[in-house]
Amino acid sequence: EPEVTQTPSHQVTQMGQEVILRCVPISNHLYFYWYRQILGQKVEFLVSFYNNEISEKSEIFDDQFSVERPDGSNFTLKIRSTKLEDSAMYFCASGRLNTEAFFGQGTRLTVV
Amino acid sequence: AQSVTQLGSHVSVSEGALVLLRCNYSSSVPPYLFWYVQYPNQGLQLLLKYTTGATLVKGINGFEAEFKKSETSFHLTKPSAHMSDAAEYFCAVTLFDQGAQKLVFGQGTRLTINP
Repeated sequence: EPEVTQTPSHQVTQMGQEVILRCVPISNHLYFYWYRQILGQKVEFLVSFYNNEISEKSEIFDDQFSVERPDGSNFTLKIRSTKLEDSAMYFCASGRLNTEAFFGQGTRLTVV
Repeated sequence: AQSVTQLGSHVSVSEGALVLLRCNYSSSVPPYLFWYVQYPNQGLQLLLKYTTGATLVKGINGFEAEFKKSETSFHLTKPSAHMSDAAEYFCAVTLFDQGAQKLVFGQGTRLTINP
């Protein structure tokens, strides 16, 4: 069964460094998403991406964040100059028109 | 704007007992509703969804949920709890805006099963 895959599963980075979280969506999906879950809290929408551009973003998704689909298969989330409060589980998801989103296993980001 | 409220951040039931996890939503248009389960250190797995049609939807692992428009609720139930049901459960609501889906999640309910 096709699935969304995310790498790495765990990333530790120093405050101020840039990180790139990688996702391979399901191959015939056209809509891509990033969500964040701070430890012990709810899952929060960050951004949706369609047709090679951002279709919607939350107030969390500020200039520190960017997304890219560099090669037609990967979907990346870049966080510039990480802060301690960026420590969270980041989930990638993908879907087709008017269907549910399928989530990856997540990348746990720890900023130290 | 859409929102989701899950009543009870922590629910504890005995093995074999009824599981009831409550979810209320607000949405200005007919919503699509979802329940996701998250096992420790894992991602989000779809349990079930309501889009249109029959208001009682059945999902995996014996769970079901009923969409009640008059009560703006989408409570999750399972007749008999199993130890393997211990997990975090998230209710989510969305509307499809030009094909894209933005899920709004509730705070989550941690389900504990007592032997």
